[in-house]
Amino acid sequence: GAVVSQHPSWVICKSGTSVKIECRSLDFQATTMFWYRQFPKQSLMLMATSNEGSKATYEQGVEKDKFLINHASLTLSTLTVTSAHPEDSSFYICSATPWVAGHNEQFFGPGTRLTVL
Amino acid sequence: AQKITQTQPGMFVQEKEAVTLDCTYDTSDPSYGLFWYKQPSSGEMIFLIYQGSYDQQNATEGRYSLNFQKARKSANLVISASQLGDSAMYFCAMREEGQGFSFIFGKGTRLLVKP
Repeated sequence: GAVVSQHPSWVICKSGTSVKIECRSLDFQATTMFWYRQFPKQSLMLMATSNEGSKATYEQGVEKDKFLINHASLTLSTLTVTSAHPEDSSFYICSATPWVAGHNEQFFGPGTRLTVL
Repeated sequence: AQKITQTQPGMFVQEKEAVTLDCTYDTSDPSYGLFWYKQPSSGEMIFLIYQGSYDQQNATEGRYSLNFQKARKSANLVISASQLGDSAMYFCAMREEGQGFSFIFGKGTRLLVKP
């Protein structure tokens, strides 16, 4: 099956610093990638939809200036958490949909656990 | 109103027995897809099974089957012959054609398989 990687798998940072998380589709091209956040014992909440070559679409309540998304190529999307604070500590998961007409499935990355001290 | 409802926050099942995880959904879009994912403690999301709104037959994938009742808007996951490795969180998700490729997830059901 299609593989999506995320880097780093975990990161600990000080409050006020910025953290970049990469999401790569390894064996397929993805015009659309998604970023989710998952708090402990809760479900995945969609943060934004990342489209290659255009601005990301953010869900209501998600600060686009705080969570910067760049989808620079058909295989790479990055999420930058700017000026991170402890409340940003969470599990961040990306997913990607292959550029195949009619394809339904999203393939998920393994997630990145962010801890802000 | 919630679009995906999973009413069972936690469930136990004896090893080798079958278990049904409930999922109901709400949509006015005639074209949609329903998915089940498994999330073990490692956090990765593992795709289990997919059912399209126009599919005539219930989807099956190995020990997983989806009991799709369109009129009742339910898409329950049935796991046959449970194994210890099936212990995990299970999420039901829906994709609506009119909403592009984005998914809506239910709150999940934690399944614990007892030896």
